[in-house]
Amino acid sequence: DAMVIQNPRYQVTQFGKPVTLSCSQTLNHNVMYWYQQKSSQAPKLLFHYYDKDFNNEADTPDNFQSRRPNTSFCFLDIRSPGLGDAAMYLCATSRDRGRGGTQYFGPGTRLLVL
Amino acid sequence: AQSVTQLGSHVSVSEGALVLLRCNYSSSVPPYLFWYVQYPNQGLQLLLKYTTGATLVKGINGFEAEFKKSETSFHLTKPSAHMSDAAEYFCAVSFAFGGSQGNLIFGKGTKLSVKP
Repeated sequence: DAMVIQNPRYQVTQFGKPVTLSCSQTLNHNVMYWYQQKSSQAPKLLFHYYDKDFNNEADTPDNFQSRRPNTSFCFLDIRSPGLGDAAMYLCATSRDRGRGGTQYFGPGTRLLVL
Repeated sequence: AQSVTQLGSHVSVSEGALVLLRCNYSSSVPPYLFWYVQYPNQGLQLLLKYTTGATLVKGINGFEAEFKKSETSFHLTKPSAHMSDAAEYFCAVSFAFGGSQGNLIFGKGTKLSVKP
């Protein structure tokens, strides 16, 4: 089945230690999104790639970076995680932007910062 | 500015009872409308969406929603709740144009509990 895969499902890191979360997709979609979801809150868009074009949300901290080396993979890098970065990180994909297209979500990676 | 309001952060119903989750949006242009469901420690799964055409939309698991432009609403209903419906439900909108085209704007979510 075509899907969005996130690894690992759970990630523990130390305060200030860089961490990378990964997302892959078999849907061949043009757009890949990264969301941060804190407990009992709605997902918050961090940034997205439309093909190779990177689009950062205005309020996304500089501590968060992303890479998309090819259509299938996208990475979220947190350069110096703080305690406030503990959250669920969701990757999503869509065929295109606009036009009411569905975003397909992966199962998420729960990040714990010690 | 566009926004989504979900009335009620928690809704509790008995098994077999009607489920009604409310969603209102604020926008100067017609949005695309979505309902997503999230089970604990899982990603979001699309229940249904409205883009154009018929305003009553049927989705998975027996859910449906009706787009009412005059009320700027897109409430989610299910005639008979099942224990497996217990989850968090998010209403979202997106738009065809503008710098944020295609981006989902989520409501704060409604946690549905189903009592035996």
